[in-house]
Amino acid sequence: NAGVTQTPKFQVLKTGQSMTLQCAQDMNHEYMSWYRQDPGMGLRLIHYSVGAGITDQGEVPNGYNVSRSTTEDFPLRLLSAAPSQTSVYFCASSYFLASGGNEQFFGPGTRLTVL
Amino acid sequence: KQEVTQIPAALSVPEGENLVLNCSFTDSAIYNLQWFRQDPGKGLTSLLLIQSSQREQTSGRLNASLDKSSGRSTLYIAASQPSDSATYLCAIPSGAGSYQLTFGKGTKLSVIP
Repeated sequence: NAGVTQTPKFQVLKTGQSMTLQCAQDMNHEYMSWYRQDPGMGLRLIHYSVGAGITDQGEVPNGYNVSRSTTEDFPLRLLSAAPSQTSVYFCASSYFLASGGNEQFFGPGTRLTVL
Repeated sequence: KQEVTQIPAALSVPEGENLVLNCSFTDSAIYNLQWFRQDPGKGLTSLLLIQSSQREQTSGRLNASLDKSSGRSTLYIAASQPSDSATYLCAIPSGAGSYQLTFGKGTKLSVIP
């Protein structure tokens, strides 16, 4: 059981380039999400998905695109990279608790630098 | 909108000391609260989850408590060790039945040998 995996671990892009950050989970969780973490800003939600074929925007969605074709995978696409997207990106998956809350599990992160 | 605050932002203690990390939140209508640990350059590791019906949860030297009425949770670390040095984050679902988490900005703990 690998949990939540992310690739690549590190990436350097030039302004204007596009790329896809990969995320996969093997826990059969319906909910998956992407966060970015910046110094002084904490963790901010980019996009999330409540199941295959269903995605929605979070707090900071501009410049990012997602799709969810399977329960396991939730890739994050940067359409045209900008220096403001330099950050550490975390993918998470979670399940609903019987009490109505949820427990979340995070991947190891992708550290992205845009020059 | 739920707001989560963690004070202090940084804490330094000598090895062996017992310590308490604080997390406060503005909306007491929560379903659960989760404590995470983050080592430098690493991802978030879930430490403890407290459901709204629980007062506390324990795992080894860690004990987390929840007081919804006062909007507070504490993470107690007994007999601290240098390996406990990390940033500790608390997080709460953003709303009723929501999968989205609202995070505090964390407390960076340094345990000095």
